[in-house]
Amino acid sequence: QAVVTQEPSLTVSPGGTVTLTCGSSTGAVTSGHYPYWLQQKPGQAPRTLIYDTSNRHSWTPARFSGSLLGGKAALTLSGAQPEDEAEYYCLVSYSGIWVFGGGTKLTVL
Amino acid sequence: EVQLVESGGGLVQPGGSLRLSCAASGFTFSTYAMTWVRQAPGKGLEWVSGFSRGGTSTYYADSVKGRFTISRDNSKNTLFLQMNSLRADDTAIYYCLKGGWGSTFDIWGQGTMVTVSS
Repeated sequence: QAVVTQEPSLTVSPGGTVTLTCGSSTGAVTSGHYPYWLQQKPGQAPRTLIYDTSNRHSWTPARFSGSLLGGKAALTLSGAQPEDEAEYYCLVSYSGIWVFGGGTKLTVL
Repeated sequence: EVQLVESGGGLVQPGGSLRLSCAASGFTFSTYAMTWVRQAPGKGLEWVSGFSRGGTSTYYADSVKGRFTISRDNSKNTLFLQMNSLRADDTAIYYCLKGGWGSTFDIWGQGTMVTVSS
């Protein structure tokens, strides 16, 4: 199965902007991979933030946005808040088979 | 309110079996894709298995193919995961998730812990 890669860790200042990326071992990530972004805080179940590249769920703060960037899926956080410190996972589809990235630990500091 | 409640986790010996259940409520269960995801202690998320929308197709990760079987009872709004030939590396929290191939992933259950150890 394909391998999905993410930055292991990133740091952003409060109020700052950061972009997390998600690449695929099979080539460019496209809209046809229906990329998702999920957030997980310690001791909690994950929650889905972004689906199908760029769509927010009703509970997703507007400061999170998804896109495709340079052959990768991207999650941009604009105006980081302390509560955004968490692990972020991307999830991509290969025609019914789904693969998670290894996760990015985001520190707001 | 959409809700997913997993059950059936526990301690099992290597080579043993376990069946997980996920009771769904608050949506028309039969029309949605459903998925199992797991997370080993201190590790990342791993997609395990899923049903397509309408339940016509099933999919499995290579790591569980031939050992795990996903099923559903639409009359009882319940998703199952039959796990056989369990190994130590199957130890994880198992999450039930609404969505998958043909349906948007949105709601997660709180998970049920499976520990494979002698």
